[in-house]
Amino acid sequence: DTGVSQDPRHKITKRGQNVTFRCDPISEHNRLYWYRQTLGQGPEFLTYFQNEAQLEKSRLLSDRFSAERPKGSFSTLEIQRTEQGDSAMYLCASITGYEAFFGQGTRLTVV
Amino acid sequence: AQKVTQAQTEISVVEKEDVTLDCVYETRDTTYYLFWYKQPPSGELVFLIRRNSFDEQNEISGRYSWNFQKSTSSFNFTITASQVVDSAVYFCVPSNNSGTYKYIFGTGTRLKVLA
Repeated sequence: DTGVSQDPRHKITKRGQNVTFRCDPISEHNRLYWYRQTLGQGPEFLTYFQNEAQLEKSRLLSDRFSAERPKGSFSTLEIQRTEQGDSAMYLCASITGYEAFFGQGTRLTVV
Repeated sequence: AQKVTQAQTEISVVEKEDVTLDCVYETRDTTYYLFWYKQPPSGELVFLIRRNSFDEQNEISGRYSWNFQKSTSSFNFTITASQVVDSAVYFCVPSNNSGTYKYIFGTGTRLKVLA
């Protein structure tokens, strides 16, 4: 499979727990993006990596959120002390040139 | 910063009808890209078409065509002879052309194609 892979596809967690999502981009793509999508809305930009460098973070990315991309390959998005408002689909995209390829997302439900 | 407006929240058509999805965008960039993405019920965003801002030629690709008018900041998308599998949420997405290529999504248009 040469597409963008996200793991897990679904995650149910109790409020207050920490969760971590993983994204494996298309191997030759050096740019990677995280988006969050809530029900009935379009995806909202969270953060962007160029290789291993995190170059931009949205105001949506509170201090409970942290993203990494060690060695410029896969990326992880961690949410600490989850809240019910964190329930959403978390999408990862890798980009070559100007075309984004999206993964199937991780659906997070905080109960 | 870019902004996009898709005034049609939801459209229902009968199979084989043509349907046009409207998109109006705002941007301060002089050059930019415009995309249409489709999000079927499975959730994955699927790339459909791309247009750069300095090329206003309208094209047809299979059952898809688009009408880009820079003067009115519109980038409408037409599906000809719609099929049930076209049922999805469609997003018109402007992207800046300066470094981050950050995609800005609106709320999209939900298309329902009825058999």
